[in-house]
Amino acid sequence: GNSVTQMEGPVTLSEEAFLTINCTYTATGYPSLFWYVQYPGEGLQLLLKATKADDKGSNKGFEATYRKETTSFHLEKGSVQVSDSAVYFCALSSTSGGSYIPTFGRGTSLIVHP
Amino acid sequence: NAGVTQTPKFRVLKTGQSMTLLCAQDMNHEYMYWYRQDPGMGLRLIHYSVGEGTTAKGEVPDGYNVSRLKKQNFLLGLESAAPSQTSVYFCASRPLTGFGSYNEQFFGPGTRLTVL
Repeated sequence: GNSVTQMEGPVTLSEEAFLTINCTYTATGYPSLFWYVQYPGEGLQLLLKATKADDKGSNKGFEATYRKETTSFHLEKGSVQVSDSAVYFCALSSTSGGSYIPTFGRGTSLIVHP
Repeated sequence: NAGVTQTPKFRVLKTGQSMTLLCAQDMNHEYMYWYRQDPGMGLRLIHYSVGEGTTAKGEVPDGYNVSRLKKQNFLLGLESAAPSQTSVYFCASRPLTGFGSYNEQFFGPGTRLTVL
């Protein structure tokens, strides 16, 4: 079956530091890959996505590249801000089996200090 | 558009009581989902629906029932609440257009439920 593995948190950084959150996956077929962000007390919202190999998703300074050869979709940001403190979820969606049930990683908490 | 809304936002129940959580979406999405989120466990799928009048079990369906009588609403019921059902519950919806797997989910703000 499908699975998503992302690095354990929390990740603690100082403002303006470089961020990487690793995400690897296993899936049948040709999945689409997503990063969602959850700010404190809120629901998840889409941060970025990529639908085929070598696609790069980007939004709000965050980027992730769909690497089929390494089955990875690592999230990066060059300079984090305190307002980026949140929980980040990597997810995939595949049409394998004819259903569209996304598979989520367990989430990585990011804490950014001033 | 209001997007995905959930009612209520907070609720405290006693063991054995019943309640229904309401999810509503105004985006005409086909797919709807109910998740629970617990510390260290990520999101776990309870039930989902691929269209009006259909429901299916997810990863952790025991103790919950659902109904999708109208396309825009997805109800989650707890018939006899237990302390293990203390959690934050999220509803999500998703369109089925084009290549469905490309589409992201839209989440509600959550319902925080405590069972004493």
